[in-house]
Amino acid sequence: DVKVTQSSRYLVKRTGEKVFLECVQDMDHENMFWYRQDPGLGLRLIYFSYDVKMKEKGDIPEGYSVSREKKERFSLILESASTNQTSMYLCASSSGGAEIGSPLHFGNGTRLTVT
Amino acid sequence: QQPVQSPQAVILREGEDAVINCSSSKALYSVHWYRQKHGEAPVFLMILLKGGEQKGHDKISASFNEKKQQSSLYLTASQLSYSGTYFCGTEGMFSGGYNKLIFGAGTRLAVHP
Repeated sequence: DVKVTQSSRYLVKRTGEKVFLECVQDMDHENMFWYRQDPGLGLRLIYFSYDVKMKEKGDIPEGYSVSREKKERFSLILESASTNQTSMYLCASSSGGAEIGSPLHFGNGTRLTVT
Repeated sequence: QQPVQSPQAVILREGEDAVINCSSSKALYSVHWYRQKHGEAPVFLMILLKGGEQKGHDKISASFNEKKQQSSLYLTASQLSYSGTYFCGTEGMFSGGYNKLIFGAGTRLAVHP
């Protein structure tokens, strides 16, 4: 079974702090994704990556950056956390590069609260 | 460009049927369906590909109308375990040549005894 592990289940940070959310997958998947989930808005794509050191902006990249130095690890960085970034963050991975129709495997999420 | 799901919420008794719809304004290569139970990660249910191929769950059925960019998920003889939030995700070609999976806002389904 594919395992996608997010380093923290709950995180509380102060406004202005730099925040790192870590995600590791153990199935040698090429693709990794960061989504944020808010009530009534569903899952919105922040950034994704199809290969090591490669990144593409999703629909809501403002205020975020990412790093993918190794294939198995994809980090989401909040350069200066703000209260409107309080949310559930979900990491996902899939195989197949840019191939159509690969299922996503999600981590359990990190609930981030910025005070 | 987020796909639109309807209805937003459904309440069923065990054994009843439901249909969840997903529509997009963009040409699509595929539609994914996922279910998320409260406090858990979304779990893959099925994928419908342009051209008619399907991958996934053998107890859930779905359709994909490529011309209308619409998909429907059919939940028949519902069980308590079907409760959760259902998300559709759509894959289309975006700038840069890469596909990306964009999700709808979700449909909350509650099945009661």
